[in-house]
Amino acid sequence: QSALTQPPSASGSPGQSVTISCTGTSSDVGGYNYVSWYQQHPGKAPRLMIYEVSHRPAGVPSRFSGSKSGNTASLTVSGLQAEDEADYYCSSYAGGNNLAFGGGTKLTVL
Amino acid sequence: QVQLVESGGGVVQPGGSLRLSCVTSGLSFSYYAMHWVRQAPGKGLEWVAVISYDGSNEYYADSVKGRFTISRDNSKNTLYVQMNSLRTGDTAIYYCAADIKWLGSFYFFGMDVWGQGTTVTVSS
Repeated sequence: QSALTQPPSASGSPGQSVTISCTGTSSDVGGYNYVSWYQQHPGKAPRLMIYEVSHRPAGVPSRFSGSKSGNTASLTVSGLQAEDEADYYCSSYAGGNNLAFGGGTKLTVL
Repeated sequence: QVQLVESGGGVVQPGGSLRLSCVTSGLSFSYYAMHWVRQAPGKGLEWVAVISYDGSNEYYADSVKGRFTISRDNSKNTLYVQMNSLRTGDTAIYYCAADIKWLGSFYFFGMDVWGQGTTVTVSS
């Protein structure tokens, strides 16, 4: 059982927006602004898309944005493109020098 | 061009040991905290351990505490994890990754650079 809860799947048509949620507790997501999001294509290593809730690393398209409200963080992908189809994982600092991951969400571009 | 290359994976019997390595290039290795993250077949990501940029601090997931030891050699730009008392549940792809911020005393900002992974199979 994952520490953070994500929906197993999400989908949208090209050009649409989709939001993936990541629900934790006040001991992780709600307690710290250290939420990250990772994209993983099949057979590939994860790629950091968002860090510290809403910051994008260099090279990540501005179509990707992150936010947080209470114990739930969200990743929004705007203007969906075919190459956005992948698995997405959230992670959060969980206190006590521990890191928790979500179970992952498979994003399908219809 | 930044590269992280893991090696040392293989097949080992339960109770056995393995040492994984992660050789880095193009990265100011000694400035960054480094993580090991694993992914069991068909499953999600699981954080394993982190070591500070200078090796003075190391932290572990409860699932590996007391069995795994993370270390680094900054003169060789290389990260290691020694895995002892391996269990079937340790079967996974093991990735090394560098944290996005450098020279800090906090190590969980986000993992910006990843290796391609090395596969560990624990089976009798």
